[in-house]
Amino acid sequence: EPEVTQTPSHQVTQMGQEVILRCVPISNHLYFYWYRQILGQKVEFLVSFYNNEISEKSEIFDDQFSVERPDGSNFTLKIRSTKLEDSAMYFCASRQGYNEQFFGPGTRLTVL
Amino acid sequence: SQKIEQNSEALNIQEGKTATLTCNYTNYSPAYLQWYRQDPGRGPVFLLLIRENEKEKRKERLKVTFDTTLKQSLFHITASQPADSATYLCALPTSGYSTLTFGKGTMLLVSP
Repeated sequence: EPEVTQTPSHQVTQMGQEVILRCVPISNHLYFYWYRQILGQKVEFLVSFYNNEISEKSEIFDDQFSVERPDGSNFTLKIRSTKLEDSAMYFCASRQGYNEQFFGPGTRLTVL
Repeated sequence: SQKIEQNSEALNIQEGKTATLTCNYTNYSPAYLQWYRQDPGRGPVFLLLIRENEKEKRKERLKVTFDTTLKQSLFHITASQPADSATYLCALPTSGYSTLTFGKGTMLLVSP
C-alpha cells in the first residue's frame, strides 16, 4: 500500500541553524500539507500546497518557513533560523481526491 | 472563533465493551468531519469521514454519528480490544483546500 515517507525521523539542531525536512507524498496525490505537533498538544496546520504553489498558510507559517517541491516526488519544509519553540513533530500529509489525508510518520525536530 | 472540543481525560474501558468518544465544535458549519487514530510518536491515521447529510457511518467495529444541530460527533468502537488503545482525533475542514483543524484528541485505554 502506498504511503507518505519522511526523512529524517529525528533532527537535532542548534538554535539559529537552518533545517530542511523532507517528505515524499503518495505519487498520484495533488495536495500536500505540513502540520506540526508540539509535545502534548494538538496537531496544527502549517501550510498547504497545490499546483506548485502555496494555497493556504497559518499564522505559524511566518517568513522563517518555506516549502518547495523541487522535483516530481519530494516536498520539503525549510526553517531558516530555528528557535527553541520550533521543537515539535512535523508531519507531512497528502491527498488525492476528496478529503481523506494520508500522513507520514513525522520528523521529530529538537532545537537546542 | 472556531473551536473543537474532545474529552480531555483518558477513557479507560474493559476489553469487549463499547467505547464512545465525543467531539463537539462551535462556530463551524463543516461539510464533513473526520476521525483519525494516533499512536505515540506516530502520524495520524485516517479512520472515517462522515458528511453533513449523513447521520451515521460504519466501518467494521467503528461507528460515527454526526449531529449538525447539536454540533457534535460521536465515535464508537464496539467489542473493543487492547490494540484499540490509542489517541483518537476529531478533525474538521476549515478551508476550501481541506485544511484540517484537529481537536486535542481523547486517549483510549482498553484493558484486558
